[in-house]
Amino acid sequence: AQSVTQLDSHVSVSEGTPVLLRCNYSSSYSPSLFWYVQHPNKGLQLLLKYTSAATLVKGINGFEAEFKKSETSFHLTKPSAHMSDAAEYFCVVAPMDSNYQLIWGAGTKLIIKP
Amino acid sequence: DTAVSQTPKYLVTQMGNDKSIKCEQNLGHDTMYWYKQDSKKFLKIMFSYNNKELIINETVPNRFSPKSPDKAHLNLHINSLELGDSAVYFCASSQDGGAKNIQYFGAGTRLSVL
Repeated sequence: AQSVTQLDSHVSVSEGTPVLLRCNYSSSYSPSLFWYVQHPNKGLQLLLKYTSAATLVKGINGFEAEFKKSETSFHLTKPSAHMSDAAEYFCVVAPMDSNYQLIWGAGTKLIIKP
Repeated sequence: DTAVSQTPKYLVTQMGNDKSIKCEQNLGHDTMYWYKQDSKKFLKIMFSYNNKELIINETVPNRFSPKSPDKAHLNLHINSLELGDSAVYFCASSQDGGAKNIQYFGAGTRLSVL
């Protein structure tokens, strides 16, 4: 069975410090992996995606994620947090045996302290 | 230009009423989705249509009925609204082919049932 686990429900960092949002997945096949971001009272926006090309994926707003098959992880990082990064972040798995149905993590709320 | 647009953005109504939410995408995508996001931010797929044909129909009360008049539109009609229907409903679309799993989301419809 496929699944995705976001290890932290909340992450709080100070502005200007690094961000790490953790995600582990379980999949029988090599999946596609995504990070989506949802700002308060806004829709969901694609941050970045991994689809079996380079294992280090760069996304928008300075975020990047590294696919590590041996650890079944796809953690999201950013070198320096900005106040505008405060949002909910979702790790998503698209199993190769399902063309349409995504598997969503429970979300991690990123809080930026001034 | 808004890629995936939902109307209305906010919907406040009484229990027992019938309401509809409309969704339109101008991306030329073949597949559209409806998701429900509860108060804990958990995202759950409800329905998916591909070229006007229903392909995903999760365990959703039959009070919820999707309708796709053409592949650019997927509307959601809800009969006999209940308190538990209060949530944010997101419409999304994706393109078939290699990128079929990248979903683009609308801004959401915040439904409050009183």
